[in-house]
Amino acid sequence: QKEVEQNSGPLSVPEGAIASLNCTYSDRGSQSFFWYRQYSGKSPELIMSIYSNGDKEDGRFTAQLNKASQYVSLLIRDSQPSDSATYLCAVQGASGNTGKLIFGQGTTLQVKP
Amino acid sequence: DTEVTQTPKHLVMGMTNKKSLKCEQHMGHRAMYWYKQKAKKPPELMFVYSYEKLSINESVPSRFSPECPNSSLLNLHLHALQPEDSALYLCASSQEGTHIYEQYFGPGTRLTVT
Repeated sequence: QKEVEQNSGPLSVPEGAIASLNCTYSDRGSQSFFWYRQYSGKSPELIMSIYSNGDKEDGRFTAQLNKASQYVSLLIRDSQPSDSATYLCAVQGASGNTGKLIFGQGTTLQVKP
Repeated sequence: DTEVTQTPKHLVMGMTNKKSLKCEQHMGHRAMYWYKQKAKKPPELMFVYSYEKLSINESVPSRFSPECPNSSLLNLHLHALQPEDSALYLCASSQEGTHIYEQYFGPGTRLTVT
């Protein structure tokens, strides 16, 4: 079983729709959760971090965390073609304060005009 | 300012060459990281430096040698690489001393080994 799992996609949504990206993790002791956006040929860009159960909103982005069910999700409202990218879910391992992130394989999002 | 810089942007080297990748951050972060990323794969952790000391080596071959001269700089020395080492090499940094490890990535160095 992979430690952090994401559907590789591609996830295709029309412009203006809500894109929903999901991620599950296996280490129940994980404390910190991150979403990165990576455009083709570029480096990952941190767009959201979440540490407590519930929702966290930042502009058009909402991260949702449910530790009991071990999943974290990212909602993108009013999707734009410029949101087309690979979205990486990253989880900080519970084994000490090492800062080691475990990445999922990434979900490719395509927003069609 | 969440900027991490890396040089060079692109590097082509032969299998017998010695080269170095450089990374710099001015955010006062005390943890710095090297990652390797192959096409269509997530970043793969190589090394972690915490307060200028190597804290994690993910069983990386000795042809990769990291160095942290000070809290703002991180180098990766390369020697006798193989073609399969061709990849995007990413540097990242984060705060230390808390449980929050938001890591900020530099733009990367695209390495081609011929």
